[in-house]
Amino acid sequence: GAVVSQHPSWVICKSGTSVKIECRSLDFQATTMFWYRQFPKQSLMLMATSNEGSKATYEQGVEKDKFLINHASLTLSTLTVTSAHPEDSSFYICSATGGAGVLGETQYFGPGTRLLVL
Amino acid sequence: GENVEQHPSTLSVQEGDSAVIKCTYSDSASNYFPWYKQELGKRPQLIIDIRSNVGEKKDQRIAVTLNKTAKHFSLHITETQPEDSAVYFCAASKGFKTIFGAGTRLFVKA
Repeated sequence: GAVVSQHPSWVICKSGTSVKIECRSLDFQATTMFWYRQFPKQSLMLMATSNEGSKATYEQGVEKDKFLINHASLTLSTLTVTSAHPEDSSFYICSATGGAGVLGETQYFGPGTRLLVL
Repeated sequence: GENVEQHPSTLSVQEGDSAVIKCTYSDSASNYFPWYKQELGKRPQLIIDIRSNVGEKKDQRIAVTLNKTAKHFSLHITETQPEDSAVYFCAASKGFKTIFGAGTRLFVKA
């Protein structure tokens, strides 16, 4: 149980284009989903937290107009990197939790999306 | 806000030896401490977790200890095997907020 999928697994795009990444919880309803960015040999950097039907909460320093997050249902969240530039190239990972957030919640991670902007 | 420090950044052990990774956290309200294993190019996988009302938890070769007073928790892997080689992340969580340590790259030499 607790499987999270992510699509696409990798994408190469030209500078200036937009890229959409999907994150789905396959066997549970995700009350909250998270989007992380990970640079090579570094830790997971939280970009934003999203709840179904409400606006995402972005971490300090993350441009919400650059990284658009939509959490349309309890099983789907999308991250759109708008007008991508080479510095946006990274490994993007989503995670999901089905809990209420009261006692601290286990996050289940997607397989990640490797984005390369040329 | 919460800050999680993890040591060492790199750890190399001989197959069969034990490995210990240590983390400290700053927010005494954190109440959930998961450990994740990430192999190269793959997703982080939860390997063990502990809640603040428990001092120790064990699952086969893996154990985690928590000292709330010192705000310190550790991962212990016994009888290490080459397939244990990966990056390990500790994390401290309060509600939905989870802060990850910087990671420990573990090498298990056959």
